[in-house]
Amino acid sequence: AQKVTQAQTEISVVEKEDVTLDCVYETRDTTYYLFWYKQPPSGELVFLIRRNSFDEQNEISGRYSWNFQKSTSSFNFTITASQVVDSAVYFCALLSGAGSYQLTFGKGTKLSVIP
Amino acid sequence: GAVVSQHPSWVICKSGTSVKIECRSLDFQATTMFWYRQFPKQSLMLMATSNEGSKATYEQGVEKDKFLINHASLTLSTLTVTSAHPEDSSFYICSARGPGQGQNIQYFGAGTRLSVL
Repeated sequence: AQKVTQAQTEISVVEKEDVTLDCVYETRDTTYYLFWYKQPPSGELVFLIRRNSFDEQNEISGRYSWNFQKSTSSFNFTITASQVVDSAVYFCALLSGAGSYQLTFGKGTKLSVIP
Repeated sequence: GAVVSQHPSWVICKSGTSVKIECRSLDFQATTMFWYRQFPKQSLMLMATSNEGSKATYEQGVEKDKFLINHASLTLSTLTVTSAHPEDSSFYICSARGPGQGQNIQYFGAGTRLSVL
């Protein structure tokens, strides 16, 4: 069975602070994909990143960076120098199982960036 | 990037009426689309997987006759909430499997907020 745990329900930071959102996953498959999505107050889920299980390289995209560690089954997301526009709910998701395209979502972390 | 359009964004209806929600892939063909329901402050709950040209696959506990899904073309899937009741009030959001190398990426619509009076 697949499972995604986002232990942080809500986080508040002051603008310009760095913040890390945690994601821990469980799967028995050796091939799987991990995702992060952003859901701003408007409701739409915005795709941020996909990472496959064979690629443990960390990735940086502007102020966003992701740390994938198979040894701890974690795929954490860091926002550097946070901005008010980063305020949203962030979901970590897992896709695993041969031929499956269904995502397993975590419960989400609500990030509030205070000006 | 792949764009998914969902319409309407917000609908209010009377109890007992039916509501149709459309999900379109605008710049790509989507053989598979997904319908989710999201309660306030909760995660997304998969309702069904919609495959073009075939019957949808519903998740356990989701009433097929209540939530009718039609995926008649490669760019359009519809969800019809039949005989809606107040307990059907929720946020419904669709997604589509991306094209090419992005086939295991789901691109989401903006969601539909349904309020049943």
